[in-house]
Amino acid sequence: SQQGEEDPQALSIQEGENATMNCSYKTSINNLQWYRQNSGRGLVHLILIRSNEREKHSGRLRVTLDTSKKSSSLLITASRAADTASYFCATDGGGSEKLVFGKGTKLTVNP
Amino acid sequence: DAGITQSPRHKVTETGTPVTLRCHQTENHRYMYWYRQDPGHGLRLIHYSYGVKDTDKGEVSDGYSVSRSKTEDFLLTLESATSSQTSVYFCAIRGPSGAEQFFGPGTRLTVL
Repeated sequence: SQQGEEDPQALSIQEGENATMNCSYKTSINNLQWYRQNSGRGLVHLILIRSNEREKHSGRLRVTLDTSKKSSSLLITASRAADTASYFCATDGGGSEKLVFGKGTKLTVNP
Repeated sequence: DAGITQSPRHKVTETGTPVTLRCHQTENHRYMYWYRQDPGHGLRLIHYSYGVKDTDKGEVSDGYSVSRSKTEDFLLTLESATSSQTSVYFCAIRGPSGAEQFFGPGTRLTVL
């Protein structure tokens, strides 16, 4: 069963706006990761946040982690049409060998 | 793409036929993974390997087998394909940091 669940399932915004996606998970983790998937392509790793971190930045991406609520959020600032993709969170369930992916948020950025 | 290739990229087959998908990596990574992706289900782990001849089951392993006879190749076999195995299959390797995964381009399999 999926450990991570993203919310919303779909999000449509205008170019230049910020996009926020949320992920909830069920068990303890060592780290939580976010991936992007463009249509018809494989997933691409975006950012990893460890369980002892609360916030992490990478370019226009900002990830937060609240282990007490078992939730994370991904913020994309000043979105571009090229950010149109599906975004997935993945957790390691406390181990390191396997990842469990959520069902994803489909983001559409309109020009 | 982290040096990961998958073959074939597209395949159409009939129910009951055997199918083998190949994942090839060029960077000597120890861990390799097979996932399937279906609408409404996201990405689900089928099997993974942590070394030559070392494999383990994932969440949706029924109807699938794997083999890894050399580091660079990880094969996924559907012994007798069923329509429920129509899906997009992704191979991945675990990166050098030991956490992130890098994915191949995928194989779209249709079982008629």
